[in-house]
Amino acid sequence: DAGVTQSPTHLIKTRGQQVTLRCSPKSGHDTVSWYQQALGQGPQFIFQYYEEEERQRGNFPDRFSGHQFPNYSSELNVNALLLGDSALYLCASSPGQGPIGYTFGSGTRLTVV
Amino acid sequence: DAKTTQPPSMDCAEGRAANLPCNHSTISGNEYVYWYRQIHSQGPQYIIHGLKNNETNEMASLIITEDRKSSTLILPHATLRDTAVYYCIVKAAGNKLTFGGGTRVLVKP
Repeated sequence: DAGVTQSPTHLIKTRGQQVTLRCSPKSGHDTVSWYQQALGQGPQFIFQYYEEEERQRGNFPDRFSGHQFPNYSSELNVNALLLGDSALYLCASSPGQGPIGYTFGSGTRLTVV
Repeated sequence: DAKTTQPPSMDCAEGRAANLPCNHSTISGNEYVYWYRQIHSQGPQYIIHGLKNNETNEMASLIITEDRKSSTLILPHATLRDTAVYYCIVKAAGNKLTFGGGTRVLVKP
């Protein structure tokens, strides 16, 4: 049984560009949450998607947007990339919006140059 | 969600028990205590959670004080593969997971 799958694993983008990261949740999970983890820090909550709608959002600007598809997979989009957006982006899936059964992927390492 | 306080780092000898403290003095009655760990270059991994009773699973034990203001995660027989950052999180059901700085645990041979 595959866990949470994220793609790509690594990505290098230029400042000002746009990026799309993808996440396939664990089988049986319908909720996807996205986190940003800067080097040496704990993950920071970006937003959560359930039933194809954004349900909760952390303190991130509108440059960060997302989408959830009918098969529960999700995308994270970041526009107008800044150097400070360089981080590990983690996707977590869960059965429902509660934290029980949260499963994280290994993340996408984004480097903005 | 209540704030948690953890020591920034600790060392542990391989084969010995590792006791990781967490202070959450402002915890509310409906908030659970969760523990996750993150091994280098991987996503966080769920370890255990509890409300007020002590809990045990195949990975660890969670001891919550009677007043629920602090808890301890116990790794009974630490191995080198337990080297990781351990996060204590307090939250109510339905809310997002909020990670702090965690405790960086180094298991030494």
